Amino acid sequence: KQEVTQIPAALSVPEGENLVLNCSFTDSAIYNLQWFRQDPGKGLTSLLLIQSSQREQTSGRLNASLDKSSGRSTLYIAASQPGDSATYLCAVVDSNYQLIWGAGTKLIIKP
Amino acid sequence: EAGVVQSPRYKIIEKKQPVAFWCNPISGHNTLYWYLQNLGQGPELLIRYENEEAVDDSQLPKDRFSAERLKGVDSTLKIQPAELGDSAVYLCASSLGGGAHNEQFFGPGTRLTVL
Repeated sequence: KQEVTQIPAALSVPEGENLVLNCSFTDSAIYNLQWFRQDPGKGLTSLLLIQSSQREQTSGRLNASLDKSSGRSTLYIAASQPGDSATYLCAVVDSNYQLIWGAGTKLIIKP
Repeated sequence: EAGVVQSPRYKIIEKKQPVAFWCNPISGHNTLYWYLQNLGQGPELLIRYENEEAVDDSQLPKDRFSAERLKGVDSTLKIQPAELGDSAVYLCASSLGGGAHNEQFFGPGTRLTVL
């Protein structure tokens, strides 16, 4: 059974710092991996989607990497801003086409 | 283009009462999902529709939960009767298709509180 783990559960850093969020999964048989952002009281916004054949994806200050063989993904945020404060969730599409989710990392960027 | 619409945004009910949630997916999206999200956890799939057919409802507690998508567009999720443990956020998502490479788009969710 696929399990997705995100560490740390919460992270607080000063504005301007670069930071890395981690995601690990137990079964390497995935179709893709996605990183989402969730703001309080709002739905989930897709940030980056990495297909299983890809190693990384970039969007603006965000860069996501995928190492399928080791079951790991990282989300790198450059030059963090207070507006980046949110909960970040990763999810993998498993062999049954289901999204399996981590519990998320709550990120706080201090001005 | 409008995103996934859900209503109500918030609902407070007493236990044993019925409750219903409504979802309008993105136009043209054939696949619709209902998720449940508890505080501090990731979403859990309840049911997935391909057009009007429920193709995966294995995680839906069928003794009290029901869902429908009669015309293959809007969908409703019902709980009857609600229990204290049902307090959570109920998310609706849609995608063009149900395949692995179809990105899911999420609505804002309905936050249910059962007293």
